[in-house]
Amino acid sequence: AQKITQTQPGMFVQEKEAVTLDCTYDTSDPSYGLFWYKQPSSGEMIFLIYQGSYDQQNATEGRYSLNFQKARKSANLVISASQLGDSAMYFCAMISSNDYKLSFGAGTTVTVRA
Amino acid sequence: DVKVTQSSRYLVKRTGEKVFLECVQDMDHENMFWYRQDPGLGLRLIYFSYDVKMKEKGDIPEGYSVSREKKERFSLILESASTNQTSMYLCASTLRGLAGTGELFFGEGSRLTVL
Repeated sequence: AQKITQTQPGMFVQEKEAVTLDCTYDTSDPSYGLFWYKQPSSGEMIFLIYQGSYDQQNATEGRYSLNFQKARKSANLVISASQLGDSAMYFCAMISSNDYKLSFGAGTTVTVRA
Repeated sequence: DVKVTQSSRYLVKRTGEKVFLECVQDMDHENMFWYRQDPGLGLRLIYFSYDVKMKEKGDIPEGYSVSREKKERFSLILESASTNQTSMYLCASTLRGLAGTGELFFGEGSRLTVL
């Protein structure tokens, strides 16, 4: 069984600063994908970034980057230059190519202060 | 534009009623998922399907069943609704495998209240 752990239930960050959201995962499958999603108060799920287990480089998408440390089974999200609009719940998720099961962590609430 | 459409945004049902939550996607995706989202618990997988007529139990399948008769439609069924099934239900779909961006597409959610 695979498991996603997000240990930070809530975080505060100052506008324009960077913030790192932790995510660790546990799987025995060699091939898997890792995702980060943002859920603002409106409730929609917004795809941010994806990392494949065989990708050599860390994924980046604009202000979002994924710090992928495969040996440590860690996939932390880094948001650079935080903006007020970044205030939301953030979910880490993983899908395994072995069983197509997509699992989510409990989420981290980020509040950006002006 | 990719669309995952959930039939009802808000439902109120009574204990013991049968509840159908419908999800339709227009991207010819193989994989479809049903989650429930509760505060502090994140998204928990109820059932998923990777092909027509195929279904797999997720982490919390008890009290739920699913149906996938057509590729584009994945239905979640509560045979006899209970108050502890009051929750937000999210449907998602994606292409098979991990090719491309791997992006999942979510519906807007269905908030179910069981009285």
